[in-house]
Amino acid sequence: SSELTQDPAVSVALGQTVRITCQGDSLRVYDASWYQQKPGQAPVLVMYGKNSRPSGIPDRFSGSNSGNTASLIITGAQAEDEADYYCNSRDTSGNVFGGGTKLTVL
Amino acid sequence: QVQLQESGPGLVKPSQTLSLTCIVSGDSINNGDYYWSWIRQPPGKGLEWIGYIYFTGSSYYNPSLKSRVTISVGTSKRHFSLKLSSVTAADTAVYYCARWELQSEHFLHWGQGTLVSVSS
Repeated sequence: SSELTQDPAVSVALGQTVRITCQGDSLRVYDASWYQQKPGQAPVLVMYGKNSRPSGIPDRFSGSNSGNTASLIITGAQAEDEADYYCNSRDTSGNVFGGGTKLTVL
Repeated sequence: QVQLQESGPGLVKPSQTLSLTCIVSGDSINNGDYYWSWIRQPPGKGLEWIGYIYFTGSSYYNPSLKSRVTISVGTSKRHFSLKLSSVTAADTAVYYCARWELQSEHFLHWGQGTLVSVSS
């Protein structure tokens, strides 16, 4: 099966823009989806497809894709965005998650 | 609105089989638009896809777990189950069930998760 690689930790100043990236061969074929997870809670979908947000997700969240890299972009990060973020995609075996990125909002 | 709820023992002994059930409300597993999935998260670690099943019974598993995993659909089509055999402490995790949307390829609906510890 393929792998998805994420930076373990990223920080952003309050109100600034941050990009969280995900790299993997499966992303050349399949779209990524992104999940936000806060301590003690189940993951929540924040982005999917080319650049689609589920209902209720703020429009400061956006996505982009290029080659083998998918990105989750938060424009104007808020304190409540501090969380772990996981990318995910289909792959040849079925499905795969990235290792996760811990986002700290300073 | 679909809801998913995991149930099963919170403690399993090493070498035994872990068994969990996901109860589906607000939808039927007969809906061909979805795969019904299991995902786990060891304490302090990331998410790991275990596998999923289609309403036809076709199933797909993580290659690293394939030899020990079985996912099945209940006869009522209102629940699906996970069996993981020969467990060790490394299988201690929060286990989530989730619904994979086939057309748009994502997990929108998740259960709240259930912690399963493997210990004697």
